[in-house]
Amino acid sequence: DGGITQSPKYLFRKEGQNVTLSCEQNLNHDAMYWYRQDPGQGLRLIYYSQIVNDFQKGDIAEGYSVSREKKESFPLTVTSAQKNPTAFYLCASKKDPLVPISGANVLTFGAGSRLTVL
Amino acid sequence: DQQVKQNSPSLSVQEGRISILNCDYTNSMFDYFLWYKKYPAEGPTFLISISSIKDKNEDGRFTVFLNKSAKHLSLHIVPSQPGDSAVYFCAASVSPPGNMLTFGGGTRLMVKP
Repeated sequence: DGGITQSPKYLFRKEGQNVTLSCEQNLNHDAMYWYRQDPGQGLRLIYYSQIVNDFQKGDIAEGYSVSREKKESFPLTVTSAQKNPTAFYLCASKKDPLVPISGANVLTFGAGSRLTVL
Repeated sequence: DQQVKQNSPSLSVQEGRISILNCDYTNSMFDYFLWYKKYPAEGPTFLISISSIKDKNEDGRFTVFLNKSAKHLSLHIVPSQPGDSAVYFCAASVSPPGNMLTFGGGTRLMVKP
């Protein structure tokens, strides 16, 4: 079955440590995205990538970094510069980044990773 | 400044009755709207969508209504079932360039047996 795999599901971090969240997809989607969810708030876009070796900042990129060396993989690093990293992180993908979002071209999400800073 | 707002953080409905979830937006450039459903510890899953050229889209028990003049959309679930209990996110997008989704804060629906 095709889908998006995020790991780890739960992660604990001490202040000052960098952590990397994994996101792998076997949907052959071109575009990948990282969102952050906080209680009572909508999903906020951190970074996105429309093609291998290229990525763009979203609305809340400060304190995060990404890479897109392979089409299937889009890891997110939460750095020590991120002042409030405790959140639920969601990775998503879309088949064609240039085709408008529609019922046939929607974002598909992974199950998420919950990061807690101790 | 939230461009997409869901003003009701939670909603409780009796099984078999209608659930109505509301969403307001401020950006008149939005031309496509979606509803996602999310269970705890899972990613959101796509539920139903509507283009700005329509005012209604129906899929089984789920109907989305769009009122462009009021910048308001709603999701109707009839009849509501206990399995519908989840958090529902409204999202909106602007056609290229960008194609990004802007999400509302979500509404937690609880359907009581």
